[in-house]
Amino acid sequence: QVRLQESGPGLVKPSETLSLTCTVSGDSISNYYWNWIRQPPGRGLEWIGYMHHSGATNYNPSLKSRVTISIETSNNQFSLKLTSLTAADTAVYYCARARGGGPKISWFDPWGQGTLVTVSS
Amino acid sequence: QSVLTQPPSASGTAGQRVTLSCSGRSSNIGTNTVNWYQQFPGTAPKLLINSRDQRPSGVPERFSGSKSGTSASLAISGLQSEDEADYYCASWDESLSAWVFGGGTKLTVL
Repeated sequence: QVRLQESGPGLVKPSETLSLTCTVSGDSISNYYWNWIRQPPGRGLEWIGYMHHSGATNYNPSLKSRVTISIETSNNQFSLKLTSLTAADTAVYYCARARGGGPKISWFDPWGQGTLVTVSS
Repeated sequence: QSVLTQPPSASGTAGQRVTLSCSGRSSNIGTNTVNWYQQFPGTAPKLLINSRDQRPSGVPERFSGSKSGTSASLAISGLQSEDEADYYCASWDESLSAWVFGGGTKLTVL
């Protein structure tokens, strides 16, 4: 069974950089597209971006200037870095695998349990 | 404001059939497939219907997806109390080169 688990700080100060890691078990990270998705409290889902094991990345245009997603094949992990944080970045951050082929025909399954990140001084 | 449009709420009585809508554009639903996700409070979203209109193992046959033009629908037949949750649609947007979600529909079983 494939499992994803997010880890990282729960509280980050404004203007600082958020770093989260997703550990994948039960599947090799050298397959599929690996994604980050977030959900502000009481609101809907927002796709942040993905990285493919080939090195290809794609980011949400609204966040592109602040986002970096990377893969650590040796640890079967992938990571998210989001810079210049503001209160608007407070959200539950999920990692998710996209499967089904290329991005246009894929779906997110499974998801990690999510980790709440609060941006506050 | 979400790229895909979903009504914020919907309701039905137990046993009833309900349909949840998801409206998009030619750049997303009009061109690409649609996925549906179910989310209970305090938990991660779960895949309900994939791009091939298939249900993952464990998802009841009562759930089905369809698409017509730039809109998609999730139908739930034989509504049950445990179906009370938030439902999200998602699709790839060609113009944005990004995945986009609907704002979600909160389904209440009366």
